[in-house]
Amino acid sequence: KAGVTQTPRYLIKTRGQQVTLSCSPISGHRSVSWYQQTPGQGLQFLFEYFSETQRNKGNFPGRFSGRQFSNSRSEMNVSTLELGDSALYLCASSLIPGGGEETQYFGPGTRLLVL
Amino acid sequence: GENVEQHPSTLSVQEGDSAVIKCTYSDSASNYFPWYKQELGKGPQLIIDIRSNVGEKKDQRIAVTLNKTAKHFSLHITETQPEDSAVYFCAASYTGANSKLTFGKGITLSVRP
Repeated sequence: KAGVTQTPRYLIKTRGQQVTLSCSPISGHRSVSWYQQTPGQGLQFLFEYFSETQRNKGNFPGRFSGRQFSNSRSEMNVSTLELGDSALYLCASSLIPGGGEETQYFGPGTRLLVL
Repeated sequence: GENVEQHPSTLSVQEGDSAVIKCTYSDSASNYFPWYKQELGKGPQLIIDIRSNVGEKKDQRIAVTLNKTAKHFSLHITETQPEDSAVYFCAASYTGANSKLTFGKGITLSVRP
């Protein structure tokens, strides 16, 4: 069974631009969570989607948004990029929503650099 | 909300020795505690998890212990090997459809050959 895939793997943007990242979950998984990973803050939860609905949201500004499609694939968007948005963005999929319900399987991440 | 702390931030051991990584959590409602290993250039991978109805769980060279009274849990790796070198994250969550994993900041484990 193929794992979680994320595209692109690397991205360089400049301040003020916007970016869209994509995540394809493991086949059969309907829940997708997004995390931001930085050296200083570790992994921080952005949001979780299940059946095309946002089920949970972390403490990030409204510039961070996401969506999920009927095939469970998910995208996240960051508008008006700031230098501090430089990070590894990780996607994780699971069968059902809820961090404590089922194992979350992570993708390799998208490394975003904002100049 | 939940707060998970991990100590120490770095750990270096000699190959063959044991390594212990400790985490504390703040929310007494948390009842699911996974451990993830992240190698360079890869996403975190679950290596073991424990739920609060058990105090210890083992899987070959890896074990996790949980003390709910003290709100801490630990990862034990025996007979360490160079391939165990990685960043290890602990996390905590309660069960429920709206729950989310809260991660510690990670510890870098180095195993010296």
